[in-house]
Order: sequence, then structure tokens, then C-alpha cells
Amino acid sequence: NAGVTQTPKFQVLKTGQSMTLQCAQDMNHNSMYWYRQDPGMGLRLIYYSASEGTTDKGEVPNGYNVSRLNKREFSLRLESAAPSQTSVYFCASSETRTNEKLFFGSGTQLSVL
Amino acid sequence: DQQVKQNSPSLSVQEGRISILNCDYTNSMFDYFLWYKKYPAEGPTFLISISSIKDKNEDGRFTVFLNKSAKHLSLHIVPSQPGDSAVYFCAASPLGDDKIIFGKGTRLHILP
Repeated sequence: NAGVTQTPKFQVLKTGQSMTLQCAQDMNHNSMYWYRQDPGMGLRLIYYSASEGTTDKGEVPNGYNVSRLNKREFSLRLESAAPSQTSVYFCASSETRTNEKLFFGSGTQLSVL
Repeated sequence: DQQVKQNSPSLSVQEGRISILNCDYTNSMFDYFLWYKKYPAEGPTFLISISSIKDKNEDGRFTVFLNKSAKHLSLHIVPSQPGDSAVYFCAASPLGDDKIIFGKGTRLHILP
């Protein structure tokens, strides 16, 4: 019963390096989300995908790109990592577009040096 | 511009007593509200929700109250148990929008 799976769990990057965070859900959910959590800032929405083939910006999209590869997978890419992107990243999914509870992955701890 | 505000970073409550966590919002278009609970090193998990057409929703020990005129909601936990020690996030979703916006969270400590 996997739910939402994120990889990797931990990552250390140097400034300027690129990487992709992977997320997959096995609940046949339509909507998927990427959040970041920073101390004192709560959870902030980076990007979301209401359905396969669509993506939209959230509250803090700058410095990130996303791809909704298929219904199951939603990846987050950092093209040129910056120290300000040091954070814990959470992927989430929900069954429908609106007013549905989110199911979260266990998070990716990213440090950019 | 913070649309969902949890003004208490932390709260300590004696085991067995009532815990009350508060949340304020500024966007009048929010029509659905949720509470999530988060333990360290884990993702948040859904706790309880309420639609704007209601003013109360109850699920076991957890009750959420919504005061639309004051743009305020609260989560009541009765009785509080040690396993309730966690960070609680209030979240809201605007009508017709796919976004779910979170507050900064309140860390709840249940004291023995």
C-alpha cells in the first residue's frame, strides 16, 4: 500500500547543479502537487497539476519546473540550484481537482551548499 | 501576503484536557477548509475538513468550527492524548480553484 512515493529522501547539491525530484502515486488520483516546507513558513505550493497534461504555478514557482509525465508521475526539476532552495519538499495527490484531501509523500530533504 | 494565518507557533496542553488550535483567513473566496497533522520526518496526514456551508464538523475526538463572518476556524481535540503531539496545519481552498493554501502550522505539545 505505497500511496505517494518520493525519491530521493535526501540530497545534497552544490550551487548551480541541477536535479529532478521524482514523485509517483498509485491511487489513480487526478491531481498532484509539489510543496516546500521551510522553518516558520509552513507549506508553500510550488506547482500543481489538476489533471494529466496540465500544470499550473503555485505560490513560489520561481526556480522550478515540473512535468506531469503521466497520471501517476509528477516530477519537480531544479535547473540551477540555489541555497535558497534548501528545504523539505513534499509531493501530494488528491482524487479530484478541488476540495479533496491531499495524500502526502514522506518528503525529500534537499540541501544546497 | 499570507492568506491562511496560524498566529500561535506553539501550544502546550495537559493530557486529558482540551486543545484548541486557531486559524484565520483573509480570502473570502475560500470555501473548503482542512486540518492536517504532521509528525517529524513524515508527510502531513489529513485530519478533518469542513465546507463553508457548515459551521461545525465532528470526527471522534476532533471537531472543527467555522465562523465565516469572522473568517476564523478552530480545531478542538478532546481529550488530548500524548499521540496528539505534532504540528497542525490549517489549509484552505478557494471555490473553483485547484490550489490548497496552508498556514505556517502550530506545534502542539501534550504534557503528561
